[in-house]
Amino acid sequence: DQQVKQNSPSLSVQEGRISILNCDYTNSMFDYFLWYKKYPAEGPTFLISISSIKDKNEDGRFTVFLNKSAKHLSLHIVPSQPGDSAVYFCAASGETQGGSEKLVFGKGTKLTVNP
Amino acid sequence: GAVVSQHPSRVICKSGTSVKIECRSLDFQATTMFWYRQFPKQSLMLMATSNEGSKATYEQGVEKDKFLINHASLTLSTLTVTSAHPEDSSFYICSARHGGRAHNEQFFGPGTRLTVL
Repeated sequence: DQQVKQNSPSLSVQEGRISILNCDYTNSMFDYFLWYKKYPAEGPTFLISISSIKDKNEDGRFTVFLNKSAKHLSLHIVPSQPGDSAVYFCAASGETQGGSEKLVFGKGTKLTVNP
Repeated sequence: GAVVSQHPSRVICKSGTSVKIECRSLDFQATTMFWYRQFPKQSLMLMATSNEGSKATYEQGVEKDKFLINHASLTLSTLTVTSAHPEDSSFYICSARHGGRAHNEQFFGPGTRLTVL
């Protein structure tokens, strides 16, 4: 049972436009959400996060929105740049494993920003 | 700051051999490190949580005798794939939790591509 879902495996956007990546979760115990960016053959890089007590967090071109009632979050990138092309993973935390909180990842969405 | 390294970045080995992968937090101390595995076009799957000075906690379905984890210091955790088989071929990624940063912020290493012939 996948607790974090990214239903769009890929997204293509024109440079300068907005990219919207979506993520849904099922576990109401999750209380912190993160977005990671990953290039091929590299480890994920932390982008932005949001606590469950907030509904929006902004950092430069990146904004994450959280809708707790819908168990849905989204990452907005505006304006999109070709260098943003990568796989974006949504992750959630709140579960514990042996006392340490662990992250549960979605399958990722491959974003392609066309020049 | 908050850099995590992994070594080796790529390894090819024969079936039946053991392979050790190192994960180091270069500029911070990490009491907790995590080991993930990623298959092509799949999510990162947590294999185990490694706590400094204690035994690792394995996720359901992960064989602890096959994937040996040692977290001997606050900056180093190792994953040893014992008696590797072709089905163990995968991309292994570690992460370290920076206790001085935001809630559960994990920093990832660059990953290790393991190919078992």
